[in-house]
Amino acid sequence: AQSVTQLDSHVSVSEGTPVLLRCNYSSSYSPSLFWYVQHPNKGLQLLLKYTSAATLVKGINGFEAEFKKSETSFHLTKPSAHMSDAAEYFCVVSDVGDSWGKFQFGAGTQVVVTP
Amino acid sequence: KAGVTQTPRYLIKTRGQQVTLSCSPISGHRSVSWYQQTPGQGLQFLFEYFSETQRNKGNFPGRFSGRQFSNSRSEMNVSTLELGDSALYLCASSFGQGGPSETQYFGPGTRLLVL
Repeated sequence: AQSVTQLDSHVSVSEGTPVLLRCNYSSSYSPSLFWYVQHPNKGLQLLLKYTSAATLVKGINGFEAEFKKSETSFHLTKPSAHMSDAAEYFCVVSDVGDSWGKFQFGAGTQVVVTP
Repeated sequence: KAGVTQTPRYLIKTRGQQVTLSCSPISGHRSVSWYQQTPGQGLQFLFEYFSETQRNKGNFPGRFSGRQFSNSRSEMNVSTLELGDSALYLCASSFGQGGPSETQYFGPGTRLLVL
């Protein structure tokens, strides 16, 4: 069975300051992990993904995430927030077995960026 | 290359009616998944298709059904609509076998309102 927990439902940051979005996962096998972003009235866009290669994954728009198996975490970071980063972010786990082809989404973290 | 397209983008139906939503995957993609997004339940997996076969299904009642055609296009149908079916329905496609490490590319969604 797979599951994912996003530890913060809302995060507020000032423009130019670091962003940290926390994600913990549970998986019976060796999961793949993704971060997606959803801007208002838009579809989901892939930021980055981990698939058992390098544990530090770089994505688009300056985002990166680190896979830590011992902590079952996959936190998303960005050194300097931009106003355009205001959106909802989803951590996703995908696994084999009964979960084949099924993305398990976290509840989402709403990011607000203040000037 | 065109992205995932979904039609219609908006729908208003009344309780008891049935509705059919359509999804055209990215050209060359063979796996199609459907998700329901609501403010209360978040993003939930409905079903996944590959080569016209449903390989996985989420925990939804039998009123929710789908199919995939030989050209990989997919439709989902909801019969006997209930107020709680009001949601954004998202379709996603992936290349290849649609395995857990493959990125799913999402369409803009169909927003269904049931009155």
